[in-house]
Amino acid sequence: GAGVSQSPSNKVTEKGKDVELRCDPISGHTALYWYRQRLGQGLEFLIYFQGNSAPDKSGLPSDRFSAERTGESVSTLTIQRTQQEDSAVYLCASSPRDRDDEKLFFGSGTQLSVL
Amino acid sequence: AQSVTQPDIHITVSEGASLELRCNYSYGATPYLFWYVQSPGQGLQLLLKYFSGDTLVQGIKGFEAEFKRSQSSFNLRKPSVHWSDAAEYFCAVGDTGGFKTIFGAGTRLFVKA
Repeated sequence: GAGVSQSPSNKVTEKGKDVELRCDPISGHTALYWYRQRLGQGLEFLIYFQGNSAPDKSGLPSDRFSAERTGESVSTLTIQRTQQEDSAVYLCASSPRDRDDEKLFFGSGTQLSVL
Repeated sequence: AQSVTQPDIHITVSEGASLELRCNYSYGATPYLFWYVQSPGQGLQLLLKYFSGDTLVQGIKGFEAEFKRSQSSFNLRKPSVHWSDAAEYFCAVGDTGGFKTIFGAGTRLFVKA
């Protein structure tokens, strides 16, 4: 597609349920990021995929969070046993990892609300 | 690992006044530096970036930023602010090896008439 696509755009869930968020990056982009943005806060780095390298998971806040990526395509972020503090916008971004023209292209995000 | 500090949580300027948003980074070498803007109800958009060369970089919407190695800073400036510039501004640092990009906490800009 033309841009980074995220689904669903909104997700309301009950505390304790598992949720899965999806990201379709721009075709050909080797790098993919997940960030979390709580209301009124900055972008909190969660995880970074780069090609076939092992992902950088250093930002995942707990073992309830996990993410996968199939090759250089779709990624899913899974949150198990959701808690109210997980409520946030989850942003996905991809980049071409081009030394001369590097920049991140962001999706519109998934607004997660945990009741 | 790199880190970014944006000291000002929010700033208010009058329309037509000049603007400077501060950004300080921590990284062992010269990093990639970015400024992104997030307007209400819209996604994040790249304003400008610095990789190498001229330390004063021009971006979209009349913004510019200057890389100062000695101060580990990459402050964003605009000579005359418009009401439509009201938004959240994020400074970001990318490492030059793996390109991992980390964002600052953001500065919210309010513009008063």
